[in-house]
Amino acid sequence: GAVVSQHPSRVICKSGTSVKIECRSLDFQATTMFWYRQFPKQSLMLMATSNEGSKATYEQGVEKDKFLINHASLTLSTLTVTSAHPEDSSFYICSARGAAYNEQFFGPGTRLTVL
Amino acid sequence: GQQVMQIPQYQHVQEGEDFTTYCNSSTTLSNIQWYKQRPGGHPVFLIQLVKSGEVKKQKRLTFQFGEAKKNSSLHITATQTTDVGTYFCAQGAQKLVFGQGTRLTINP
Repeated sequence: GAVVSQHPSRVICKSGTSVKIECRSLDFQATTMFWYRQFPKQSLMLMATSNEGSKATYEQGVEKDKFLINHASLTLSTLTVTSAHPEDSSFYICSARGAAYNEQFFGPGTRLTVL
Repeated sequence: GQQVMQIPQYQHVQEGEDFTTYCNSSTTLSNIQWYKQRPGGHPVFLIQLVKSGEVKKQKRLTFQFGEAKKNSSLHITATQTTDVGTYFCAQGAQKLVFGQGTRLTINP
């Protein structure tokens, strides 16, 4: 099956710093990648959709200048949380879909803690 | 996007008992997907239902899509401790909208 990796799996940073999270599709080309955020005991909330080579589409209420998304290749998308604050602490999960698949394949997630 | 309401929010059962979670929408859905998320893990795709009245089985799991394509259910027969986790329904073609999830805990 299709495999999606995420790095890092866990990060702790100080308030005001920026954190970059990488999402890679390992054995398929991901035409579309999605970024989700999940707070404890809550559901997944879609933050943005990114297509390779084009600007990401952000969901309502998600600040595009705070959550920078780059989908530079068919196997890599990055999410940068700029000037992170404690309220940004969450579980960030990416997913990817290729042209040959109906479903999305999820990465293992990145747990961000901002002190 | 179209919202899906999922119930119950929590379910605790004795090992061996059955478990069911339900998803409902006020509008007709093009498809419904089901995911399982183990504690501390990420969602894992279980199945997608597309056709009205569709029923699919995976071992002890039975998935149904309503005739009107407005509701769906996941039923687990004779739960085992490995079934512990949160089960999410999700709908959408390009973007997925997730239900709130049902957290299943099991008393061994």
